[in-house]
Amino acid sequence: EIQLQESGPGLVKPSQSLSLTCSVTGYTITSGYDWSWIRKFPGNKMEWMGYISYSGSTNYNPSLKSRISITRDTSKNQFFLQLNSVTTEDTATYYCARVVIRDVMDAWGQGASVTVSS
Amino acid sequence: DIQMTQSPASLSASLGETVTIQCRASEDIYSGLAWYQQKPGKSPQLLIYGASSLQDGVPSRFSGSGSGTQYSLKISSMQTEDEGVYFCQQGLKYPFTFGSGTKLEIK
Repeated sequence: EIQLQESGPGLVKPSQSLSLTCSVTGYTITSGYDWSWIRKFPGNKMEWMGYISYSGSTNYNPSLKSRISITRDTSKNQFFLQLNSVTTEDTATYYCARVVIRDVMDAWGQGASVTVSS
Repeated sequence: DIQMTQSPASLSASLGETVTIQCRASEDIYSGLAWYQQKPGKSPQLLIYGASSLQDGVPSRFSGSGSGTQYSLKISSMQTEDEGVYFCQQGLKYPFTFGSGTKLEIK
């Protein structure tokens, strides 16, 4: 059974970078599919942030412009989110998820709550 | 970006009642629509993909329908464990976009 687990700091200061790790068990991220980050803001709004594919290519939400980077460590079966120059508007719960055929997310992590505050 | 308009924002239903949630896309998404359920403190769970295909393990009281720009999720007999927030998501075009969510409670 596939499982995903987010980890990282729960508090980040404005203008700094937010970094999160998604650890995957039960499936090798280089075997197939895309591996996404999604965030949920207070009030339920959900935003797809981007993905890294099984081959290592990336695709980002244009709304995040040049602030976002998704990378991976295949030896640890992990992928990472870095979001630069954060503001209080980046306060959210961040989820990692697997994107399968039909572009749906069939497995999600438990979520990591991140607050941006000085 | 494709805008997803979801309604209603909240809903309360009695046990056994039929519940319907709507999602409208700003353009034709050719059935590229999924529905998710999220319970408090938990991650979203995939219910329906391709507008009408039931994900493995999801109870058959859940069903999806629609085409073009209009889609709906139906729960045929509300159960206590169905309380939560429901989201639609389009997967036709990047960036993927979500509806604003429907909070479903037991009356």
